[in-house]
Amino acid sequence: GQSLEQPSEVTAVEGAIVQINCTYQTSGFYGLSWYQQHDGGAPTFLSYNALDGLEETGRFSSFLSRSDSYGYLLLQELQMKDSASYFCAVRVSGGYQKVTFGTGTKLQVIP
Amino acid sequence: DSGVTQTPKHLITATGQRVTLRCSPRSGDLSVYWYQQSLDQGLQFLIQYYNGEERAKGNILERFSAQQFPDLHSELNLSSLELGDSALYFCASSPGRAAGTGELFFGEGSRLTVL
Repeated sequence: GQSLEQPSEVTAVEGAIVQINCTYQTSGFYGLSWYQQHDGGAPTFLSYNALDGLEETGRFSSFLSRSDSYGYLLLQELQMKDSASYFCAVRVSGGYQKVTFGTGTKLQVIP
Repeated sequence: DSGVTQTPKHLITATGQRVTLRCSPRSGDLSVYWYQQSLDQGLQFLIQYYNGEERAKGNILERFSAQQFPDLHSELNLSSLELGDSALYFCASSPGRAAGTGELFFGEGSRLTVL
């Protein structure tokens, strides 16, 4: 099976930088994704890493180390609207593309 | 708007009852996923279909079943409902191809309340 670990809660100040870590254990690892979910809303895709290194998309960056089974999401220039839950998710290979989510990190951005 | 449609948006029912949740994937997507999210919890993977065939199963109870129809819409059937089944049920779709990011497009969810 798959298991993913993330911190349950993180608090950061508006304008600052925050890093949300994710460690995973799985067989057939294909890639690591990040999703954002506002309260009561649907998860939305943020980023994806299949290879080691950093992927940057605007204020958000995501990093993957396959050898360490570790990744992180970096949010820069935090805004109040970034307050949400953030989920890492592993995509496993095979004839299908099963996606298993972590337990999520609730980010609170404070003024 | 993700292009994924889920109905009903809200559903209140009693213990022991049976309900059916419906999902229409994005146009062209062959893969449909179902997830359960209890209050302040993560997304628990239930089941995945690809082009009408079951491809992966997660922590889905025996009281739950699902299927994907030839037109690619999917239904999740929940029976003998218990209080603990109260949750937000999400459907997501993707093209299902190995290439690309594997991005999942989520519907707005069906909120089930069992009284």
